[in-house]
Amino acid sequence: EAGVAQSPRYKIIEKRQSVAFWCNPISGHATLYWYQQILGQGPKLLIQFQNNGVVDDSQLPKDRFSAERLKGVDSTLKIQPAKLEDSAVYLCASSPEMGRPRGANVLTFGAGSRLTVL
Amino acid sequence: GENVEQHPSTLSVQEGDSAVIKCTYSDSASNYFPWYKQELGKGPQLIIDIRSNVGEKKDQRIAVTLNKTAKHFSLHITETQPEDSAVYFCAEEGAQKLVFGQGTRLTINP
Repeated sequence: EAGVAQSPRYKIIEKRQSVAFWCNPISGHATLYWYQQILGQGPKLLIQFQNNGVVDDSQLPKDRFSAERLKGVDSTLKIQPAKLEDSAVYLCASSPEMGRPRGANVLTFGAGSRLTVL
Repeated sequence: GENVEQHPSTLSVQEGDSAVIKCTYSDSASNYFPWYKQELGKGPQLIIDIRSNVGEKKDQRIAVTLNKTAKHFSLHITETQPEDSAVYFCAEEGAQKLVFGQGTRLTINP
């Protein structure tokens, strides 16, 4: 089966500019996650969707970050305006079912989008 | 809130030797603990997981042990090979989401 697709793979912008990342999860997966991975750290959850509804966005900096999952399939993550500390890899992941990410409901990650803010 | 401490941050072992990575968690309600391997330029990939009703789980050269009383769990890789070189992350499941450790960069020396 095809994996989680993300684009672009790399993006370089100047601070205060905007950027958008796109994710196409594995077909049929109900749950979609966006993680931020700063260099040398573990992934941190930004937002979790179940179908097209938001389950958890408690760690999303809502003054500058926004995300949507139209029709419960593809998702976009936008940053506007970007700050230097937003430099990171943005990982998208999906899992088959709603609920706990365990057992058969494991997360499959995409390769990520690396953002550099100058 | 959930917090996972992972040690060491870097680990270098000779090919054929064993490698051990340890994690400590804070949420006593957590009961699912996966380990992910991240190769350069790729997303993390699940390699093994364990639930709280099990103390140890093995899959070929990798094993995970869990001590719920002490709230720590460990990844053991035996007979290491060059392709084991990667960054490894432990995680705990809390409130229906995964919380990751800081990662361990494992280097296998030929």
